[in-house]
Amino acid sequence: QQPVQSPQAVILREGEDAVINCSSSKALYSVHWYRQKHGEAPVFLMILLKGGEQKGHEKISASFNEKKQQSSLYLTASQLSYSGTYFCGTHRLSSGGSNYKLTFGKGTLLTVNP
Amino acid sequence: GAVVSQHPSWVICKSGTSVKIECRSLDFQATTMFWYRQFPKQSLMLMATSNEGSKATYEQGVEKDKFLINHASLTLSTLTVTSAHPEDSSFYICSALPDRAGGNTIYFGEGSWLTVV
Repeated sequence: QQPVQSPQAVILREGEDAVINCSSSKALYSVHWYRQKHGEAPVFLMILLKGGEQKGHEKISASFNEKKQQSSLYLTASQLSYSGTYFCGTHRLSSGGSNYKLTFGKGTLLTVNP
Repeated sequence: GAVVSQHPSWVICKSGTSVKIECRSLDFQATTMFWYRQFPKQSLMLMATSNEGSKATYEQGVEKDKFLINHASLTLSTLTVTSAHPEDSSFYICSALPDRAGGNTIYFGEGSWLTVV
């Protein structure tokens, strides 16, 4: 029940926008977004808990459509530091809050060029 | 912010030996910790859920006798790769779920690179 991420890879020029999608075949309790630089551990970006919830931090925001079992990560006016692999981690509704294990998508490689 | 520390960051061991990796939550307690393995250019694959005071829950296909997990305290979980082989070489990452009320964010350690020669 690994979530499906799209696209697999995207190349941007600095200042351009990008959208990364994450979808699940199962009902979701929450969606977590992480960014990982090569050779480093994932860094937490944000968590979305409610259907329709949107969050943002500076120029990175995300939405969660509970009915569609989808989440999207929006990167606007991309910076060089945004380069990395973005993973969504999903926590299924059937697991409940007491079994909080995340299943990660295969990742989206984002490259921002000058 | 919450900090999770892993040790060692890098380890090289001979085939057939065992290696222990520690995962510590430095400023919070965590009844539940998770161990992931990541091969190059691949996603993080959950190996097991570590539960303080009880046996770990292993994901399908993960050998519990090969990957021993001990969660002896609310701030420490260890993963021991027994009789390591070259195919066990990978990036091992732990994560921890804070026990505090309302905590939903999971924090990752820095990861441990294991090379078996």
